[in-house]
Amino acid sequence: NAGVTQTPKFRILKIGQSMTLQCAQDMNHNYMYWYRQDPGMGLKLIYYSVGAGITDKGEVPNGYNVSRSTTEDFPLRLELAAPSQTSVYFCASSSPLPTPESEAFFGQGTRLTVV
Amino acid sequence: GNSVTQMEGPVTLSEEAFLTINCTYTATGYPSLFWYVQYPGEGLQLLLKATKADDKGSNKGFEATYRKETTSFHLEKGSVQVSDSAVYFCALWGYNQGGKLIFGQGTELSVKP
Repeated sequence: NAGVTQTPKFRILKIGQSMTLQCAQDMNHNYMYWYRQDPGMGLKLIYYSVGAGITDKGEVPNGYNVSRSTTEDFPLRLELAAPSQTSVYFCASSSPLPTPESEAFFGQGTRLTVV
Repeated sequence: GNSVTQMEGPVTLSEEAFLTINCTYTATGYPSLFWYVQYPGEGLQLLLKATKADDKGSNKGFEATYRKETTSFHLEKGSVQVSDSAVYFCALWGYNQGGKLIFGQGTELSVKP
């Protein structure tokens, strides 16, 4: 049972570098999300997608970009990394709309440090 | 707007103590409510959920009741164990939230032997 797979698990970036955090799910979920979790803080929504070709901003989208060309994949792109982007990033997916059977499934997270 | 507010942590309890973690929400419509748990170094996993008013979600000895009149979804457990030490997140999700899963700030629980 793969579920939601995030890569890489850890990464150190230098200021100004770029990278893509990968997220893939094999549950045929329409909804996918990217969150960041800062130390001692809750989760802040960066971007989300309700289906292939559709993305929308969350609370903290600045400095990030996403694309959703397939149902399975939802990569998060960091352009010009800054120390403020040091965080743990979580990807999640869920079935189309809240039903009694639905829930969101989370990946294991990517710990990113920008130095 | 839509939001979730949890009690501040950290919460420190002795083993076998009673646990309550408060959660209140502001939302339009009739969202579903969730409790997620995050063990150290791991991602989030669903603990329990309730999809309509007066529903009670339960799992692993934890319970929470969807109270629309008080807009609350407090998490309770009668006797906590050391293995319950984790961060607990309350969340809401519904049609009126446009597909966004909205989290509270999380409450860290530490259970001492």
